Amino acid sequence: AQSVTQLGSHVSVSEGALVLLRCNYSSSVPPYLFWYVQYPNQGLQLLLKYTSAATLVKGINGFEAEFKKSETSFHLTKPSAHMSDAAEYFCAVSEGEYGNKLVFGAGTILRVKS
Amino acid sequence: DTAVSQTPKYLVTQMGNDKSIKCEQNLGHDTMYWYKQDSKKFLKIMFSYNNKELIINETVPNRFSPKSPDKAHLNLHINSLELGDSAVYFCASTTAGRIGSYGYTFGSGTRLTVV
Repeated sequence: AQSVTQLGSHVSVSEGALVLLRCNYSSSVPPYLFWYVQYPNQGLQLLLKYTSAATLVKGINGFEAEFKKSETSFHLTKPSAHMSDAAEYFCAVSEGEYGNKLVFGAGTILRVKS
Repeated sequence: DTAVSQTPKYLVTQMGNDKSIKCEQNLGHDTMYWYKQDSKKFLKIMFSYNNKELIINETVPNRFSPKSPDKAHLNLHINSLELGDSAVYFCASTTAGRIGSYGYTFGSGTRLTVV
């Protein structure tokens, strides 16, 4: 069965600093990986996804993530944090393209300091 | 607007009551889900329907009963509500066999508070 571990339940960065949110996965078949963002009192919005094409994936709002099979990782980065990036971020995995569900990590709350 | 819509957005009710949450999607998807997000924000899958057929039924108390009248609708009925049922319930949809490519589209959630 697939699983996701997000290291760090809270990450705090200064505005303009690099954002790095960590995600490691476990899957018995080639994984399909996702990052979602949840703003306060809202639903989850897709940021980006890895679907076995390019290992470096670009998403919305300047975020990107790199799939590293050897490290079973899919870390999310943004070169320069903006106040509007403050939210909770969830990493998720599907067990292959034809998996029947997404399994989510526990989430990482990103705080951006001015 | 194309979307996954849930009603109600907020629900406050007393212990022991029965309540329902409704979800509708107009994206043409054939697979829908209910997830529970607890106070620690952990998202746990509860149920999934594909074209009105139940395909995932996680370990959920039988006080929770999903119903899918058609592939565009998935409702959640909860009997004898308990304090521990307080959470945000999210509906999501996708196309069967394409989860890996597209992921889910989520509704905006229903915040259930049991007092």
